[in-house]
Amino acid sequence: GAGVSQSPSNKVTEKGKDVELRCDPISGHTALYWYRQRLGQGLEFLIYFQGNSAPDKSGLPSDRFSAERTGESVSTLTIQRTQQEDSAVYLCASSPGGAQGGELFFGEGSRLTVL
Amino acid sequence: GDSVTQMEGPVTLSEEAFLTINCTYTATGYPSLFWYVQYPGEGLQLLLKATKADDKGSNKGFEATYRKETTSFHLEKGSVQVSDSAVYFCALSDQVQGAQKLVFGQGTRLTINP
Repeated sequence: GAGVSQSPSNKVTEKGKDVELRCDPISGHTALYWYRQRLGQGLEFLIYFQGNSAPDKSGLPSDRFSAERTGESVSTLTIQRTQQEDSAVYLCASSPGGAQGGELFFGEGSRLTVL
Repeated sequence: GDSVTQMEGPVTLSEEAFLTINCTYTATGYPSLFWYVQYPGEGLQLLLKATKADDKGSNKGFEATYRKETTSFHLEKGSVQVSDSAVYFCALSDQVQGAQKLVFGQGTRLTINP
């Protein structure tokens, strides 16, 4: 489809393992965002990419978290040495960028469970 | 930093009841304000927005007015339907480097009973 696509939709892993989450944004959208949603809580900003500018990593909770984006396309969020507190839904969103009224287009999320 | 506080949930109402979900914010400057909705099994989607003081956003029978004097953006609907059952998130924009970084509230789960 034409929306934001995330994979996997569900991931169960053991504590200490590394995981990679993937996001395919809407074609042509220059801005890409990662958020985390823990059970019963709001959306926590993690990182965003805007075109070729340096990413804003101010929301990454620790150095175990990193993200990359290839040009204006796919992004991967990597969590190293996962901990139980990393269990959450990881949401990706994209937007056309610039002062476009702030509408973000979200994927359905990747639910991560760390045992 | 910027923050959004919204009404604790869950909220349960009967069909055709009047709905208010409170949202207040703290921000430097003049952010845009948004309500996003997450229906069961779906991703978040924009419900309505307002970009300056006294603007009213509206969509699907929902309304919210940007009140700078009370730093609020309360969501209202006059007559809710079962299909309105969802989680509602209030958000504000923090424009950095030309892109809109959104700061979200914690969400309010709404259940409408027939």
